[in-house]
Amino acid sequence: GAGVSQTPSNKVTEKGKYVELRCDPISGHTALYWYRQSLGQGPEFLIYFQGTGAADDSGLPNDRFFAVRPEGSVSTLKIQRTERGDSAVYLCASSPLRGSSYNEQFFGPGTRLTVL
Amino acid sequence: QQPVQSPQAVILREGEDAVINCSSSKALYSVHWYRQKHGEAPVFLMILLKGGEQKGHDKISASFNEKKQQSSLYLTASQLSYSGTYFCGTEIMTGNQFYFGTGTSLTVIP
Repeated sequence: GAGVSQTPSNKVTEKGKYVELRCDPISGHTALYWYRQSLGQGPEFLIYFQGTGAADDSGLPNDRFFAVRPEGSVSTLKIQRTERGDSAVYLCASSPLRGSSYNEQFFGPGTRLTVL
Repeated sequence: QQPVQSPQAVILREGEDAVINCSSSKALYSVHWYRQKHGEAPVFLMILLKGGEQKGHDKISASFNEKKQQSSLYLTASQLSYSGTYFCGTEIMTGNQFYFGTGTSLTVIP
């Protein structure tokens, strides 16, 4: 079956602009994670959805970042007033059941965001 | 809260063994291990759920000492395909956050 997909694969924007990054999880997966990965670093947790609700958004760095998952499937990460420090690869992962303790996470290929 | 991994980097010749360690300052529900190749997404290797549990996956195995909040990944008779960056990932008791470790770059040379 299809894996996790993310669009766009690359996004170049100017400082101050608004961007949306999309994640299509594996069908039927209820858990969805967003991470941010900078060069040479491990993925940094941003937010976790269980179904439609954000079960934990404590990793979002500030109020310029927001994510939604209105129907419990596709998720969109939204970044307002982008800054150069937002440049990174944004990874999405999904998992079949609640909680990462019991289930592996399946990662998408990521969106490389570059803020000029 | 990010787990610390050691070593940061290791170079092996094909056929040699390696151990990667992961240590957390928080109590853990579980430890995951992932491998990421350059320019690619992390790929799942295994989950360990109980204190002292060990798991094996071909020539890659791992242990999890819940009391010490530590896990180790063992790679035996390394192959060229093992090259990549290895991350442990942990979920702590109190939340839904998932933290990846600092990473270990492993290079296997012929």
